[in-house]
Amino acid sequence: GAGVSQTPSNKVTEKGKYVELRCDPISGHTALYWYRQSLGQGPEFLIYFQGTGAADDSGLPNDRFFAVRPEGSVSTLKIQRTERGDSAVYLCASSLTGDEDGYTFGSGTRLTVV
Amino acid sequence: GNSVTQMEGPVTLSEEAFLTINCTYTATGYPSLFWYVQYPGEGLQLLLKATKADDKGSNKGFEATYRKETTSFHLEKGSVQVSDSAVYFCALSDWGSARQLTFGSGTQLTVLP
Repeated sequence: GAGVSQTPSNKVTEKGKYVELRCDPISGHTALYWYRQSLGQGPEFLIYFQGTGAADDSGLPNDRFFAVRPEGSVSTLKIQRTERGDSAVYLCASSLTGDEDGYTFGSGTRLTVV
Repeated sequence: GNSVTQMEGPVTLSEEAFLTINCTYTATGYPSLFWYVQYPGEGLQLLLKATKADDKGSNKGFEATYRKETTSFHLEKGSVQVSDSAVYFCALSDWGSARQLTFGSGTQLTVLP
């Protein structure tokens, strides 16, 4: 596609529920990143994929968070047993080679845990 | 670890005023430095970048110079427009950190006509 697409754009869920957030990167981009942006803060790194594998998952806050990219294109961020503190905008970015010059960010998924 | 500190907002200016948004950083290696902009309802966009000391990044009338001696990358524009109203983020990338970006907390800019 022309840009990075994230769905849904908004998600409201109850505390304790499971959610999946989807990212469709630009076609052909091998590098994919997930970031989390809390209100009034800058984005914080969660995980980086190069192809199908997670090259760096050091930003995932705990084992409730997991992300996959099984075919090296679409990625899904999965959050188990959601907590109110997980409420944030989750941003996805992709780039052709992993060079930060070429990052393209999606518009994000706003997750609200009630 | 890496960190970015930027001027707190919000910043409100009149059209054609001079803009400075301060940014300083801490990094273990030799980072690349960036300014990103987030317009209302849109995704983050790269505004400009600099990859080594004394480099100047520029785009759309905005400029920032990589100052290693003061670990700074201040954003400037000589004459702001209403359309520049957005949130501006300073960021760094240290290639020792698997190319992840470390962002500042953002500065909200509002330009009044």
